[in-house]
Amino acid sequence: SQQGEEDPQALSIQEGENATMNCSYKTSINNLQWYRQNSGRGLVHLILIRSNEREKHSGRLRVTLDTSKKSSSLLITASRAADTASYFCASGGSNYKLTFGKGTLLTVNP
Amino acid sequence: DAGVIQSPRHEVTEMGQEVTLRCKPISGHDYLFWYRQTMMRGLELLIYFNNNVPIDDSGMPEDRFSAKMPNASFSTLKIQPSEPRDSAVYFCASSWDGIEKLFFGSGTQLSVL
Repeated sequence: SQQGEEDPQALSIQEGENATMNCSYKTSINNLQWYRQNSGRGLVHLILIRSNEREKHSGRLRVTLDTSKKSSSLLITASRAADTASYFCASGGSNYKLTFGKGTLLTVNP
Repeated sequence: DAGVIQSPRHEVTEMGQEVTLRCKPISGHDYLFWYRQTMMRGLELLIYFNNNVPIDDSGMPEDRFSAKMPNASFSTLKIQPSEPRDSAVYFCASSWDGIEKLFFGSGTQLSVL
């Protein structure tokens, strides 16, 4: 079974609004990553946060990590139509395996 | 760099046939991963290699699945014989340093009729 679980499964917003996606995982991790997948394409790495970090920023992306709750969130600010995609969290442990959740489908309406 | 290259992009075959998926990782990447994506199960890690050596194949569903990496620039995933439940998108990914940042190919959409 997938370790990571994203919430919500689908999110529809208007251009310019912020989008927040959440992720939960089950076991201890070394890092937590977020990937984006456009329809019919491979996944693209967005951002990585290590287990000893609580927050990280990259452009319009903000990621938080709460290891006590085994959860992470991805915030996309000032969303654009081009942000429409599926977003996956992936938890990385010490066994060199990256375990993906089932994703959040984000639709940004122009 | 052209990124991770997978072929074919689409494969339609009949049950019982052999299927071979191919992957060329990014030059200099020491790790190569094969994932399978379905609506029901999401992304599943099948097997990964480090320096061309298979390290963990615990995700390979059955003996019908096999993977090889004869050199640093080429890997194959073979299904023999194929079954309809093998229908999925198969992704190859590579990285420099394990699991810190994976680069994915565009995937192979496999349909077994």
